[in-house]
Amino acid sequence: DIQLTQSPSFLSASVGDRVTITCRASQGISSYLAWYQQKPGKAPKLLIYAASTLQSGVPSRFSGSGSGTEFTLTISSLQPEDFATYYCQQLNSYPITFGQGTRLEIK
Amino acid sequence: QVQLVESGGGVVQPGGSLRLSCAASGFTFSSYGMHWVRQAPGKGLEWVAFIRYDGSNKYYADSVKGRFTISRDNSKNTLYLQMNSLRAEDTAVYYCAKDPCSSGGSCYLFDYWGQGTLVTVSS
Repeated sequence: DIQLTQSPSFLSASVGDRVTITCRASQGISSYLAWYQQKPGKAPKLLIYAASTLQSGVPSRFSGSGSGTEFTLTISSLQPEDFATYYCQQLNSYPITFGQGTRLEIK
Repeated sequence: QVQLVESGGGVVQPGGSLRLSCAASGFTFSSYGMHWVRQAPGKGLEWVAFIRYDGSNKYYADSVKGRFTISRDNSKNTLYLQMNSLRAEDTAVYYCAKDPCSSGGSCYLFDYWGQGTLVTVSS
């Protein structure tokens, strides 16, 4: 199974900050990676797929990059509604696996 | 608009069974693969199972293989998850999720999610 490790697990930031979350895969997965946002008590929401393609309706302050084993999710200017938990997920093969999550909180 | 509504969750004793349902609307259900994903309380996301648009292929996580069965009724626009031999570690919110790839394989992706249904396995 492909293991995904996110860093950091917890991030404290302020509105307007630029933040970056990293996801490392245990083996190369080309660009087969997605990012989700989850708010408390809600279902996850797809933000980015194929490492860098923004899902329809997602604000352009979100961006993704990377290939192979290292990927990043960047939020260029944090908004109050962005404080949530973020998960990466590999699309390379079954079983589908997720990172452990990064909780983004207001400083 | 796409809607996925799960039902069937509840409290069940270890070793018991439960069947979850997911009613789909707002898209051509019979053209898309579907998944179940779960989340234990306070924990991360775990993919559980996938079924192809026509039910011909199914995949399972090792943690549920042999105990859970995913199925679908395209005439009723409904996805199911039959859960047998339940264990305490199966306690979670179970989400159904739509795969964006149609009439073919899986994109291994979840573009729409339901609101989830809570399954609690406890004596």
